[in-house]
Amino acid sequence: EAGVAQSPRYKIIEKRQSVAFWCNPISGHATLYWYQQILGQGPKLLIQFQNNGVVDDSQLPKDRFSAERLKGVDSTLKIQPAKLEDSAVYLCASSLAPMGPYNEQFFGPGTRLTVL
Amino acid sequence: QKEVEQDPGPLSVPEGAIVSLNCTYSNSAFQYFMWYRQYSRKGPELLMYTYSSGNKEDGRFTAQVDKSSKYISLFIRDSQPSDSATYLCAMKGANNNDMRFGAGTRLTVKP
Repeated sequence: EAGVAQSPRYKIIEKRQSVAFWCNPISGHATLYWYQQILGQGPKLLIQFQNNGVVDDSQLPKDRFSAERLKGVDSTLKIQPAKLEDSAVYLCASSLAPMGPYNEQFFGPGTRLTVL
Repeated sequence: QKEVEQDPGPLSVPEGAIVSLNCTYSNSAFQYFMWYRQYSRKGPELLMYTYSSGNKEDGRFTAQVDKSSKYISLFIRDSQPSDSATYLCAMKGANNNDMRFGAGTRLTVKP
């Protein structure tokens, strides 16, 4: 079974530029998550999708971050404009379903963003 | 106070040692408790999860949850160099999938 795919793996940009990350979840997984992991910290949930609808985006800085999952499969996370403090690893994860008993989240390798 | 506190380490042990990793938490609504292992430049992978209080064993790994003290632990027996990684505790409530992670403990097992 193929895992969660993410691209690019690394990205270096200057502040105020825009950047986009792509995620392809495990086939059949209805729920998709984007996390931000700053160096030395645990992952922090940015947004959660159930199919192509947003379930939770309470921690997404909506003035500069946006995400979409138009066809309920692939997802894109965008930052515009980037700030120095956005330097982090952006992790995508997917799971079969969000509610009820624990459903394991499978993580991709992440995209390491450096903002100069 | 953070919702989940985890000793960041780093922790260095000799091969074969017993390792104890710990987290405390403040939110009594947490019911599912997970341990993830994260190798350098990789995404986290689930090691173990437990529901409510008690112990769960899987090979060399034992997860322990004490809800009365809001304290969870992961024990690694007969540690191996391949166990060298960052270990993240995570937890969530019953009705959502918003996991809260600890900061991670970096473990090095020396041959």
